[in-house]
Amino acid sequence: AQSVTQLDSHVSVSEGTPVLLRCNYSSSYSPSLFWYVQHPNKGLQLLLKYTSAATLVKGINGFEAEFKKSETSFHLTKPSAHMSDAAEYFCAIFYGGSQGNLIFGKGTKLSVKP
Amino acid sequence: GAGVSQTPSNKVTEKGKYVELRCDPISGHTALYWYRQSLGQGPEFLIYFQGTGAADDSGLPNDRFFAVRPEGSVSTLKIQRTERGDSAVYLCASSSRTGSRYNEQFFGPGTRLTVL
Repeated sequence: AQSVTQLDSHVSVSEGTPVLLRCNYSSSYSPSLFWYVQHPNKGLQLLLKYTSAATLVKGINGFEAEFKKSETSFHLTKPSAHMSDAAEYFCAIFYGGSQGNLIFGKGTKLSVKP
Repeated sequence: GAGVSQTPSNKVTEKGKYVELRCDPISGHTALYWYRQSLGQGPEFLIYFQGTGAADDSGLPNDRFFAVRPEGSVSTLKIQRTERGDSAVYLCASSSRTGSRYNEQFFGPGTRLTVL
């Protein structure tokens, strides 16, 4: 069965410091993994995705994630946080088969202090 | 271009009432998904349409929930005899492809349903 676990429900950083949001996955086969961001009262926006090409994936707004099979992880990072990064972040895994629906983690709320 | 839109943005109803939630996908997208997001949780899959037919409705919690997409574009999620536990944000997403590991789903802003 496919699943993802987001290890932190809330992360707080200061503006200009690095961001690390952790995600571990469980998969019966080579997974496709996604990170989405959700700002208040907005829809989910795709940040980046891993689909078995390069293990280091670069996304929008300076975010990137590294797929590590040995650690079953897909952590999201950003070198320097901006105030506008404050939001909820969701890791998701492609369910597979012909349905194509995503299975989401519970989310990590990122706070950025000035 | 226009993204996925959902109406209404907020819906307050009383226990036992019937509600309809509407989703307008991105034009030309054949795949449409409904998810439900409860407070403090990630979105949970409800139902998936490929064209007009529901290809997978395994996420619908019970037979009070039903969804249609009669012309392969707009979809309506229908909830009968609403219960307080149905209170959540209902998200709609569409995709130009399906069954693909490269699938990107584009999400609407959601409908916040509150059952009193």
